[in-house]
Amino acid sequence: DSGVTQTPKHLITATGQRVTLRCSPRSGDLSVYWYQQSLDQGLQFLIQYYNGEERAKGNILERFSAQQFPDLHSELNLSSLELGDSALYFCASSAPGAGDTQYFGPGTRLTVL
Amino acid sequence: DAKTTQPPSMDCAEGRAANLPCNHSTISGNEYVYWYRQIHSQGPQYIIHGLKNNETNEMASLIITEDRKSSTLILPHATLRDTAVYYCIVRVNNAGNMLTFGGGTRLMVKP
Repeated sequence: DSGVTQTPKHLITATGQRVTLRCSPRSGDLSVYWYQQSLDQGLQFLIQYYNGEERAKGNILERFSAQQFPDLHSELNLSSLELGDSALYFCASSAPGAGDTQYFGPGTRLTVL
Repeated sequence: DAKTTQPPSMDCAEGRAANLPCNHSTISGNEYVYWYRQIHSQGPQYIIHGLKNNETNEMASLIITEDRKSSTLILPHATLRDTAVYYCIVRVNNAGNMLTFGGGTRLMVKP
């Protein structure tokens, strides 16, 4: 158990819909990262937040957005969902000054029908 | 971050040591070598990391060559539960930057 929690575990929705994925980092970690893993793309970095501020962006679609709240939990919002958005979404967290080692949550499996 | 090259798959007998190689010939002086593994569709699990000295923890050992152009992850006594995809990643530490995952090595531990 990495200490990072993600909800929900599974999500099934229809095209065009909007969903929110939630991540709670390990206690004391200020950075949260979001990754997407689809069958054909492997693990891809989406976005990073550090203490509430956006820090880095990867190949995140404009239909996707994220935020980190004062209690440091983070949410990833996916809108206008398409079939190709079906994937595993992982959240990771890291602490400053600890080598920035990232610890991953169990993931949310999103299925878009 | 420097690119890494790993064999796509390897087999190992249960109870034997699993030696997983990684080439990172373009590694920079301030880049660390990280190893993660992913068991089935679970979240990637951190294993170990190092800069230039060999490192050991309760899970594995990391051997980095003197020129730092390659490394080997050693699982001393592989079990069936070690069957997973193993990722070797090089990155600058304490930079808050993302992990760049390649294809990894699919390790199959066989009874």
